[in-house]
Amino acid sequence: AQRVTQPEKLLSVFKGAPVELKCNYSYSGSPELFWYVQYSRQRLQLLLRHISRESIKGFTADLNKGETSFHLKKPFAQEEDSAMYYCALSDRGYALNFGKGTSLLVTP
Amino acid sequence: NAGVTQTPKFRVLKTGQSMTLLCAQDMNHEYMYWYRQDPGMGLRLIHYSVGEGTTAKGEVPDGYNVSRLKKQNFLLGLESAAPSQTSVYFCASSYSTEQYFGPGTRLTVT
Repeated sequence: AQRVTQPEKLLSVFKGAPVELKCNYSYSGSPELFWYVQYSRQRLQLLLRHISRESIKGFTADLNKGETSFHLKKPFAQEEDSAMYYCALSDRGYALNFGKGTSLLVTP
Repeated sequence: NAGVTQTPKFRVLKTGQSMTLLCAQDMNHEYMYWYRQDPGMGLRLIHYSVGEGTTAKGEVPDGYNVSRLKKQNFLLGLESAAPSQTSVYFCASSYSTEQYFGPGTRLTVT
């Protein structure tokens, strides 16, 4: 069963515009949620985890248990933010369940 | 530290051929994972290991086997490759929930 849903395959925004990448999850219990990013021709790397509640590269994400969401937000998108973004949930110890990913394109 | 490395980077196989993908990590992580990445499908877990000598099935294990004889290495085997196994394969390792990924292996089965 799909545990993590990223409804947008592709999101295109202009430089300087706000961006929100959506992530919804289904899990009974206390999930641990992450955002991973894959820049062109690079390996996946951790961007954010909900338990740290930090801002990385201007991105933030808040876990909303009522709406079962963990949307990724940035107030002013930059061209270097163009990448593939994956939302992921940890449900079996340390194994991750990934969403299908959202490709973010920031155009000048 | 090299982190997580994968060999080979690219490979083309004919249907029915076999091969082994090697993943190595130098971070002394207990946990290691193999994923496949396909367009529109995201990353799907094939097999994983919670320690040397142990392996477990993930979401899409059919057609693959794995071995973890040494803590630092996690091997993914394809005994009889099929075109449906054309994909990019990523290895990852972790000591907690943060996973560190390798650069990937692009496999094409014709």
